[in-house]
Amino acid sequence: NAGVTQTPKFQVLKTGQSMTLQCAQDMNHNSMYWYRQDPGMGLRLIYYSASEGTTDKGEVPNGYNVSRLNKREFSLRLESAAPSQTSVYFCASGFTQGSGNTIYFGEGSWLTVV
Amino acid sequence: RKEVEQDPGPFNVPEGATVAFNCTYSNSASQSFFWYRQDCRKEPKLLMSVYSSGNEDGRFTAQLNRASQYISLLIRDSKLSDSATYLCVGRSNDYKLSFGAGTTVTVRA
Repeated sequence: NAGVTQTPKFQVLKTGQSMTLQCAQDMNHNSMYWYRQDPGMGLRLIYYSASEGTTDKGEVPNGYNVSRLNKREFSLRLESAAPSQTSVYFCASGFTQGSGNTIYFGEGSWLTVV
Repeated sequence: RKEVEQDPGPFNVPEGATVAFNCTYSNSASQSFFWYRQDCRKEPKLLMSVYSSGNEDGRFTAQLNRASQYISLLIRDSKLSDSATYLCVGRSNDYKLSFGAGTTVTVRA
């Protein structure tokens, strides 16, 4: 059981380049999330998707776009990378029904923008 | 102000000691709470849910105080393997989760 799978694990970009982080889950979860984690800032929500076909902005959406391709896949795109987007990115998924349900994370993608 | 605030620590304790720390939350609409554990350069992993009546999972005890809006985690008989960062999480009605920045615990031999 793979759980939540993210690719790539490591990436170095030049300022202005674009890239897409891929995420897939095999737990039949309806909600999916993208977070970024920076030292001392904790996890901050970029975008989330409550169900297939819907996406919503989180706390720090500027500079990012997302696509919920199907129930399994949720991608995060940086159209024009900036050094401020150097971070660790985590995809997560979970069920939304039931307040006791929580989310499960992928292994993370380390992105450096130079 | 962040919705969930934690003492960053670090809490440096000897093996076998008890360590406890809190987090506070500002959103009174938060319905569910969780503790996650995160090891260095790894993803956060669910440690335990937090129930209003308090709950235990082995050496770990979690408490929720809604009146004062804080959650606590207590670790008994600390092991070296308990060294990690512990993230406090609150879930609101619209199922968005708010994460604290984490409390670092280091257990020394």
